[in-house]
Amino acid sequence: AQSVAQPEDQVNVAEGNPLTVKCTYSVSGNPYLFWYVQYPNRGLQFLLKYITGDNLVKGSYGFEAEFNKSQTSFHLKKPSALVSDSALYFCAVRDEDSGYALNFGKGTSLLVTP
Amino acid sequence: ETGVTQTPRHLVMGMTNKKSLKCEQHLGHNAMYWYKQSAKKPLELMFVYNFKEQTENNSVPSRFSPECPNSSHLFLHLHTLQPEDSALYLCASSQERQILTGELFFGEGSRLTVL
Repeated sequence: AQSVAQPEDQVNVAEGNPLTVKCTYSVSGNPYLFWYVQYPNRGLQFLLKYITGDNLVKGSYGFEAEFNKSQTSFHLKKPSALVSDSALYFCAVRDEDSGYALNFGKGTSLLVTP
Repeated sequence: ETGVTQTPRHLVMGMTNKKSLKCEQHLGHNAMYWYKQSAKKPLELMFVYNFKEQTENNSVPSRFSPECPNSSHLFLHLHTLQPEDSALYLCASSQERQILTGELFFGEGSRLTVL
């Protein structure tokens, strides 16, 4: 079975500081990992994904994520946070056994203060 | 604009009502999904359709009835719901030939309140 854990319900960061939103996963096969963002009263928007290759993946809005196989982690990062980055962030995973189903974590609320 | 449109955006219904949620995608995708989003809980996959055929049903109660008449349209028919069914219902689509690697494209969601 596939699962994702986002250990922090909320992350608070000052504008201009680096941010990290944590994600760990559990799969039986090779993981296919995704990050999504959700702004209030909106659907989920795709940020980036790791399929294979370089462990550092770059995505939309200046976000990047680092795949670490030994730690089974896929943390989302940004060098300099913006107030407009405040939103709900979801990590998700598939593997060969999950087929179409994309399994999501419970989400982490990011608050960037001026 | 994500290419996935959901209507209505908000719906209030009584427990004895019958209503439907509609989803339409303009991306040429062949797989469509219904997810349920409740506060403080992970997104719950409800149904998956691939080329109009249902491929997954995650033990969803029969008061939720999906319909996929073609690859561009997906419905969720609702009847005799319970207050705990109040949630944001999200529709998504993806490209079938990228089952494992393709990202999902989500609509804005339909906020359902059951009184």
